[in-house]
Amino acid sequence: EPEVTQTPSHQVTQMGQEVILRCVPISNHLYFYWYRQILGQKVEFLVSFYNNEISEKSEIFDDQFSVERPDGSNFTLKIRSTKLEDSAMYFCASSELSYTDTQYFGPGTRLTVL
Amino acid sequence: KQEVTQIPAALSVPEGENLVLNCSFTDSAIYNLQWFRQDPGKGLTSLLLIQSSQREQTSGRLNASLDKSSGRSTLYIAASQPGDSATYLCAVKASGSRLTFGEGTQLTVNP
Repeated sequence: EPEVTQTPSHQVTQMGQEVILRCVPISNHLYFYWYRQILGQKVEFLVSFYNNEISEKSEIFDDQFSVERPDGSNFTLKIRSTKLEDSAMYFCASSELSYTDTQYFGPGTRLTVL
Repeated sequence: KQEVTQIPAALSVPEGENLVLNCSFTDSAIYNLQWFRQDPGKGLTSLLLIQSSQREQTSGRLNASLDKSSGRSTLYIAASQPGDSATYLCAVKASGSRLTFGEGTQLTVNP
């Protein structure tokens, strides 16, 4: 069964450094998302992406965040200058034909900012 | 602003018991509701999606119901097994693209 994959599974970085989290959505899906979950808290929406554009972003998704679909398979989340409070599990998700379809989530990347 | 609440926060049951997990949401103008399972340190596995026009959905031992007007959904798990132990999350989709999640119910099924 097709799956969303994410790399790396765990990333440790120093405060102020840039990180890029990578995702490969399910191949025939057109809608892509990033969510995050701070330890012990709810899963929170960050951004959605369709047709090479951001469709919606939350108040969390400020200027330090950016997303990109650099080729036909990858979808990336860049955090330009990491802060301690960016430490969280970051989940990529995709859905097939619309925002109302089932969203399928990847296994996550655990980001630790020291 | 949509708020999603799940009760109880934790539940421990003996194997074989039928159980119900509850989810409530504040804004009934939703498109659908999705139930997920999350194992410790892992991603989210989609269990069921109920469209706003539906009353329930079934998959194996799982049955999810939706009462949109009252802002409630339940996930019924029949004949629970130790392998069902996980955190169960509900998430609603209103206008836009985002899912809004509840805090989850941590389920432990004891052998």
